[in-house]
Amino acid sequence: GQQVMQIPQYQHVQEGEDFTTYCNSSTTLSNIQWYKQRPGGHPVFLIQLVKSGEVKKQKRLTFQFGEAKKNSSLHITATQTTDVGTYFCAGAGGGNKLTFGTGTQLKVEL
Amino acid sequence: DVKVTQSSRYLVKRTGEKVFLECVQDMDHENMFWYRQDPGLGLRLIYFSYDVKMKEKGDIPEGYSVSREKKERFSLILESASTNQTSMYLCASSPRDPRTDTQYFGPGTRLTVL
Repeated sequence: GQQVMQIPQYQHVQEGEDFTTYCNSSTTLSNIQWYKQRPGGHPVFLIQLVKSGEVKKQKRLTFQFGEAKKNSSLHITATQTTDVGTYFCAGAGGGNKLTFGTGTQLKVEL
Repeated sequence: DVKVTQSSRYLVKRTGEKVFLECVQDMDHENMFWYRQDPGLGLRLIYFSYDVKMKEKGDIPEGYSVSREKKERFSLILESASTNQTSMYLCASSPRDPRTDTQYFGPGTRLTVL
């Protein structure tokens, strides 16, 4: 079945450093979604990308969908302590559901 | 605001017990989902339902069953709980298209099976 992997699994950064998580699918995706889960919380939708090569920004967050629609990335510029949490990508391949990635846990130290 | 509620935040059960986890959504969503979340494995889909009384297996359905008798309620059943089912269980709902619509998650139930 479809597999969606994310790297890295964990990332510790100093506040102010940049952070990137990568999402790779075993199949071509029709769309990719990103979610954020704060510690002790539940996943919350951030954004959806649909077009090949699409780039979207939300303040310090930049989301990109690969040209082949099999990978995506989330980049955070100048991390803050409020960015702490686990980031999940989720994509729809050939089936009738979203498949979530393995997640990247971000810790930000002062 | 969409609200998805789960019956318990924490649950402790013994091996062999029958366990019911309930989820309710208040936005008339067609789709409801049950996931389990384990460190390093992300969110894995157990079952989902796209309509009342309709269900479809996810990636890890073994040891679980589900019930959706009413549109707003989706139950996850562990027929005979085992220690390897200790996990965080998350319920979610989405409006119409299970492939493209945003999913709204409940707060989760942390289940411990002793």
